[in-house]
Amino acid sequence: AQKITQTQPGMFVQEKEAVTLDCTYDTSDPSYGLFWYKQPSSGEMIFLIYQGSYDQQNATEGRYSLNFQKARKSANLVISASQLGDSAMYFCAMREVLTGNQFYFGTGTSLTVIP
Amino acid sequence: ETGVTQTPRHLVMGMTNKKSLKCEQHLGHNAMYWYKQSAKKPLELMFVYNFKEQTENNSVPSRFSPECPNSSHLFLHLHTLQPEDSALYLCASSQVHQGSTDTQYFGPGTRLTVL
Repeated sequence: AQKITQTQPGMFVQEKEAVTLDCTYDTSDPSYGLFWYKQPSSGEMIFLIYQGSYDQQNATEGRYSLNFQKARKSANLVISASQLGDSAMYFCAMREVLTGNQFYFGTGTSLTVIP
Repeated sequence: ETGVTQTPRHLVMGMTNKKSLKCEQHLGHNAMYWYKQSAKKPLELMFVYNFKEQTENNSVPSRFSPECPNSSHLFLHLHTLQPEDSALYLCASSQVHQGSTDTQYFGPGTRLTVL
């Protein structure tokens, strides 16, 4: 079974609008971390935001916020006030404590910001 | 500036060549990783080094040979590759603690083309 599922292969958003990128995960480990990364066309994976499984509050980092719904096992990324530079691939990832160092990545969502 | 550098950024090689990819992290981390990223596939973890010891090798063909001389440097030696090995190779590092979910930080990747 897929550990991380990203069902939106491509998304479009108008500049200055908000956009939500979906991510669902599958784990039986009570302790895990959820991550979002941005990959521009240059190839580098840029860390955006982290949510721990025991965190009570949704994580926020500037224009990025993570909508963490534990019961639904979803960890959607919300980007507010989209900018042209936000156009990139976005990957959701999970790390389970019990499996040690391994990260599980989704297939990614390609976001295009339209001027 | 993520603190993880990779060289070369682009590499074209024939199937009979031998080449090496280099990764260096300046973050003081104790774990380093090699990933392969092919089009339309999730990132594939290839190798994990924890405190310079290889802890994972996810059924990677022997034509890929990792080397970790110290906690800051990681190499991937390549020989007699196949065209299907063409991909983006990403290096990452993280700080590993018992029971933690530390973020992985990535380098810019090496775009490899095998002719």
